[in-house]
Amino acid sequence: SQTIHQWPATLVQPVGSPLSLECTVEGTSNPNLYWYRQAAGRGLQLLFYSVGIGQISSEVPQNLSASRPQDRQFILSSKKLLLSDSGFYLCAWSEGTQNQPQHFGDGTRLSIL
Amino acid sequence: AQKVTQAQTEISVVEKEDVTLDCVYETRDTTYYLFWYKQPPSGELVFLIRRNSFDEQNEISGRYSWNFQKSTSSFNFTITASQVVDSAVYFCALSEADYGQNFVFGPGTRLSVLP
Repeated sequence: SQTIHQWPATLVQPVGSPLSLECTVEGTSNPNLYWYRQAAGRGLQLLFYSVGIGQISSEVPQNLSASRPQDRQFILSSKKLLLSDSGFYLCAWSEGTQNQPQHFGDGTRLSIL
Repeated sequence: AQKVTQAQTEISVVEKEDVTLDCVYETRDTTYYLFWYKQPPSGELVFLIRRNSFDEQNEISGRYSWNFQKSTSSFNFTITASQVVDSAVYFCALSEADYGQNFVFGPGTRLSVLP
């Protein structure tokens, strides 16, 4: 069966520091991969999605970037974190065809001080 | 442009009551997909159901049921005989056939089931 791993679970970072969140999927090939942010008490905002290695689509221009160095690995990065980057970050995967259900990781709670 | 509205921000019910969570969507596509997800306090989102725009048949899964009505652009979710474990935030989401990677989520409804 397929599993998705996301780490770390919580992270506290100072303003201006870099960020790297990692997500890996097991048990499937060529999945679509996604990064979402959920502000406290709010809905989900799609940040990036990827349909293949090296293919990244950005939905919201911002301080963050994403990369997909391997088929089942998706990384969310920032060179300099802002206070507004605080939130709950969720990685998800879906089958490679469109409109399939997305399956989410456990999330990373990021606090910027 | 696609949009999902969940007008109920928070709902509280007493255990064993029935509760309906509303979802209204907007899309210009004739082919689209609707989803419901549950986010328990632990944070991960759990997929509950997917429905395509050509299938208006209502669905029942145990205590859960979904009512899809294209005439009112609604996809409502009912929990029968609610339990404390149903307490969570519930999200409705929409994807259009031509933009299948781009899910639009509603703001969510926080359901509290009191013992």
